[in-house]
Amino acid sequence: DQQVKQNSPSLSVQEGRISILNCDYTNSMFDYFLWYKKYPAEGPTFLISISSIKDKNEDGRFTVFLNKSAKHLSLHIVPSQPGDSAVYFCAASARGGSQGNLIFGKGTKLSVKP
Amino acid sequence: DAGVIQSPRHEVTEMGQEVTLRCKPISGHNSLFWYRQTMMRGLELLIYFNNNVPIDDSGMPEDRFSAKMPNASFSTLKIQPSEPRDSAVYFCASSLVLGEYDISGANVLTFGAGSRLTVL
Repeated sequence: DQQVKQNSPSLSVQEGRISILNCDYTNSMFDYFLWYKKYPAEGPTFLISISSIKDKNEDGRFTVFLNKSAKHLSLHIVPSQPGDSAVYFCAASARGGSQGNLIFGKGTKLSVKP
Repeated sequence: DAGVIQSPRHEVTEMGQEVTLRCKPISGHNSLFWYRQTMMRGLELLIYFNNNVPIDDSGMPEDRFSAKMPNASFSTLKIQPSEPRDSAVYFCASSLVLGEYDISGANVLTFGAGSRLTVL
């Protein structure tokens, strides 16, 4: 059973508009959440993270929102740019005792059209 | 730093052959992870090491898979014998984990470019 779920395999957005990528999790022990971006033929690269003690973290055009009661997080990209076209992975960890391993969702492919 | 280095980038082999994938983590990182990416299952954690010691290998599919980390700068993932269903992209990643309750963002894994394995 998947502990981290990204239910939308793909998303298409016009350049300049907002992209919203969603992620749900089932394990209430998760206390740290991350988003990774992956271009073809490359490894995933870290984008932004949020601790469970926060409900929002912002870094430039990227904002991650966390709703612990709903076990849901989202990544907002504003404004979207063609270079943002990539696969986005949501990841989570229960760091207490986990020593750092991450559980990933299956990813959402974002296409930003000029 | 050159980042996490994986080799080979591409491997095509026949069923039954032994496959060895190699990884050099970032110098100074104390944790190393092997992930496998497939269309069906996404990114799955196979095994991870902390200070060269295997911590969790529950993701290793079966006994055909084995991983070693003989020192802090090198790890291998071996598949013997290989099967067509092992075809996937295998990623190695490393990170610096400072402690059990580290809150400094040590879960930020740095991934290699991956090894694409095709078993015919």
